[in-house]
Amino acid sequence: GAGVSQSPSNKVTEKGKDVELRCDPISGHTALYWYRQSLGQGLEFLIYFQGNSAPDKSGLPSDRFSAERTGGSVSTLTIQRTQQEDSAVYLCASSLVGAQTGNTIYFGEGSWLTVV
Amino acid sequence: RKEVEQDPGPFNVPEGATVAFNCTYSNSASQSFFWYRQDCRKEPKLLMSVYSSGNEDGRFTAQLNRASQYISLLIRDSKLSDSATYLCVVNSDAGNMLTFGGGTRLMVKP
Repeated sequence: GAGVSQSPSNKVTEKGKDVELRCDPISGHTALYWYRQSLGQGLEFLIYFQGNSAPDKSGLPSDRFSAERTGGSVSTLTIQRTQQEDSAVYLCASSLVGAQTGNTIYFGEGSWLTVV
Repeated sequence: RKEVEQDPGPFNVPEGATVAFNCTYSNSASQSFFWYRQDCRKEPKLLMSVYSSGNEDGRFTAQLNRASQYISLLIRDSKLSDSATYLCVVNSDAGNMLTFGGGTRLMVKP
């Protein structure tokens, strides 16, 4: 697609349920990022995929969070046993690594998660 | 020390004012630098890349100081529509991962 696509755009879930958030990056982009942003706060890095390399999972806040990227394209972020503090917007971004113009990163519109 | 640091503000300025933000980074191996803009409840969007020689795009000027490891953004003739949060973004040479600063909030008042 023309841009980074995320789904669902909004999700309300009950505490303790699992959620899956999907990201479809810009075609051809080898780098994919997940960030989390709570209301009024800065971007919190979660995980970074680059090509076939092992992902950088250093930002995942707990073992309830996991992510995968299948076929080097679509990524899914899974949150198990959701807690109220997981409520945030989850932003996915992608970039074309190694481009002459630099590693400009493009964001999706985010998945707004509310845990009640 | 955070890898990328910014003054969170807010910077409250009148229309027409000139305002400048700085951003410091800790990794001397960083190669690419950007300023992003984020409007309330929206995703961040690229404002401009920052080149070694400095670069200008209309009312916006970005500078890089490698010796002191900071980048700056200057906005001239501020408009109401410039009100937003400005995010400094830096990559490290290893892995090409991008790191965001916490953002500086700008509010331009009539």
